[in-house]
Amino acid sequence: GAGVSQSPSNKVTEKGKDVELRCDPISGHTALYWYRQSLGQGLEFLIYFQGNSAPDKSGLPSDRFSAERTGGSVSTLTIQRTQQEDSAVYLCASSSRTSGFNEQFFGPGTRLTVL
Amino acid sequence: GENVEQHPSTLSVQEGDSAVIKCTYSDSASNYFPWYKQELGKRPQLIIDIRSNVGEKKDQRIAVTLNKTAKHFSLHITETQPEDSAVYFCAARNTDKLIFGTGTRLQVFP
Repeated sequence: GAGVSQSPSNKVTEKGKDVELRCDPISGHTALYWYRQSLGQGLEFLIYFQGNSAPDKSGLPSDRFSAERTGGSVSTLTIQRTQQEDSAVYLCASSSRTSGFNEQFFGPGTRLTVL
Repeated sequence: GENVEQHPSTLSVQEGDSAVIKCTYSDSASNYFPWYKQELGKRPQLIIDIRSNVGEKKDQRIAVTLNKTAKHFSLHITETQPEDSAVYFCAARNTDKLIFGTGTRLQVFP
């Protein structure tokens, strides 16, 4: 079946503008995660959704960052008033109960460039 | 919260040699430790994992060891090949989310 997909693959924006990044998880996966990967750096946890539970937002770096997950499927990560330090690859991952929520399947990422 | 440290940040080996990457974690409640491989321009993919009730796990040329007492775990790649060249990330699961190390760039020279 189809893997995790993300759109857009690349986004260039001007400082101060808002951006929305989309993630389509694998069908049936109830857990969804967002990470940020800056150039040459590791994977920084941002937010985690599990079913209908309240999301774990503990990794969001500022109140300019927010995320939603509608209908338990598609998720949107929104960055308001973008800053140059927001430039990074934003990765989404999903996992399922059948694997004990162990293996996370990653999407291809959205490369965000803030000018 | 959990903190994962990974060493070395870069590792160069000759084809056929072994490579070892080490990680430490801080929260003794972490119970699952996966390793992901990320090739250049690609997404991270799980290559091996280990649960806290196991000390060692092997899959062909790769193995992972876990020392719960010392809170560290390691990835071992034997008989390295050029296609093993990639960035490797360790992670520890804590309260349902993975905390990743900063990655090790492995280069295998033919």
